[in-house]
Amino acid sequence: KAGVTQTPRYLIKTRGQQVTLSCSPISGHRSVSWYQQTPGQGLQFLFEYFSETQRNKGNFPGRFSGRQFSNSRSEMNVSTLELGDSALYLCASRFLALTYEQYFGPGTRLTVT
Amino acid sequence: QQQVKQSPQSLIVQKGGIPIINCAYENTAFDYFPWYQQFPGKGPALLIAIRPDVSEKKEGRFTISFNKSAKQFSLHIMDSQPGDSATYFCAGVYGGATNKLIFGTGTLLAVQP
Repeated sequence: KAGVTQTPRYLIKTRGQQVTLSCSPISGHRSVSWYQQTPGQGLQFLFEYFSETQRNKGNFPGRFSGRQFSNSRSEMNVSTLELGDSALYLCASRFLALTYEQYFGPGTRLTVT
Repeated sequence: QQQVKQSPQSLIVQKGGIPIINCAYENTAFDYFPWYQQFPGKGPALLIAIRPDVSEKKEGRFTISFNKSAKQFSLHIMDSQPGDSATYFCAGVYGGATNKLIFGTGTLLAVQP
């Protein structure tokens, strides 16, 4: 069974632009979560989607948003990019809402210049 | 109350040694404690996990020890190999549908041949 896939793997954007990252969960998994990983702040939870509904949101500004489609694929969007948004953005999927095991994709490395 | 404190920040052992990574948590609402292994350029991979009603869990060369009263848990890697060199993250997860991972700060492990 294929793992979590994320596209693109690398991205360079300019401050003020917006960006959309994509995540395809493991086949059959219905929950998708997003995390930001930086050297300074570590791994931080952004939000989780299940059945196209946002179930939980981390402590990030409104510039960070996401959505989930009926096939469980998810996208996250960051508007008005800031230098501090440079990070590895990770997507994780799990089978059902009440299962604990989360499986991560390889991430999208976003660099904001 | 959401923190998971992890130590040491880095660790060097010889091949065959038993590195031990420690974590402590504050929030007693956590009811699932996974460990993730991350290699450079990859997303975190679920290694092993434990529930707070269990004091120890072994999977292959990896063992979690859990002390509920002290709110501490640790990862032991038996017969460590150079291929185990990676960053290890502990985490706590709240129960129920809010499957948000609260990560420790990570431990960079180097196993020397």
